[in-house]
Amino acid sequence: DTGVSQDPRHKITKRGQNVTFRCDPISEHNRLYWYRQTLGQGPEFLTYFQNEAQLEKSRLLSDRFSAERPKGSFSTLEIQRTEQGDSAMYLCASSHPSGAGDRASTDTQYFGPGTRLTVL
Amino acid sequence: AQKITQTQPGMFVQEKEAVTLDCTYDTSDQSYGLFWYKQPSSGEMIFLIYQGSYDEQNATEGRYSLNFQKARKSANLVISASQLGDSAMYFCAMREWGDSNYQLIWGAGTKLIIKP
Repeated sequence: DTGVSQDPRHKITKRGQNVTFRCDPISEHNRLYWYRQTLGQGPEFLTYFQNEAQLEKSRLLSDRFSAERPKGSFSTLEIQRTEQGDSAMYLCASSHPSGAGDRASTDTQYFGPGTRLTVL
Repeated sequence: AQKITQTQPGMFVQEKEAVTLDCTYDTSDQSYGLFWYKQPSSGEMIFLIYQGSYDEQNATEGRYSLNFQKARKSANLVISASQLGDSAMYFCAMREWGDSNYQLIWGAGTKLIIKP
């Protein structure tokens, strides 16, 4: 098990460009989450997938943001027409709920290393 | 209103001493979970420990323990015998186990620096 991976780790772009990030969850995890974290703050929830279905979206996710998980495995987060305010760390997490008696029954979210976006 | 409050923006602790990081929370749900994560300067969010609202005993995980006081709505993280590698940001987070409620709600974090 290699854990959650994210690509790229760093992205520098110019204002107005589109960017796409990828997240590969832990293989047996059917739940996948995206968060955004700005400097000095805790993460803010963006969206959640269970398998391929996007079940929850934050109001933070403007129409410039779109996320997909087409086959219920990896996910992509796209930001169109980037703005300087989009500069942040984008974190992906995955989880797999299980029955009682298993530590994982907490539905603990395990995070990837993040993608740091800088918009110039 | 803030649902998760971490009142200590930063802490300095001598190596090998125990340290307590404060976390208070606000929820009207009866069923919820509290999580602590560590975020080193590299940026990855590392899960440390979990406490469920119905758990009768405080959670422990190696050098980490959670001092859960439900009536006071506090869930403080205790790190015993601190090490230099413990220097990091520490975040308290909560999940309310209501219907269709999947997100973690986070505090602002505490920056812990361990002095040699």
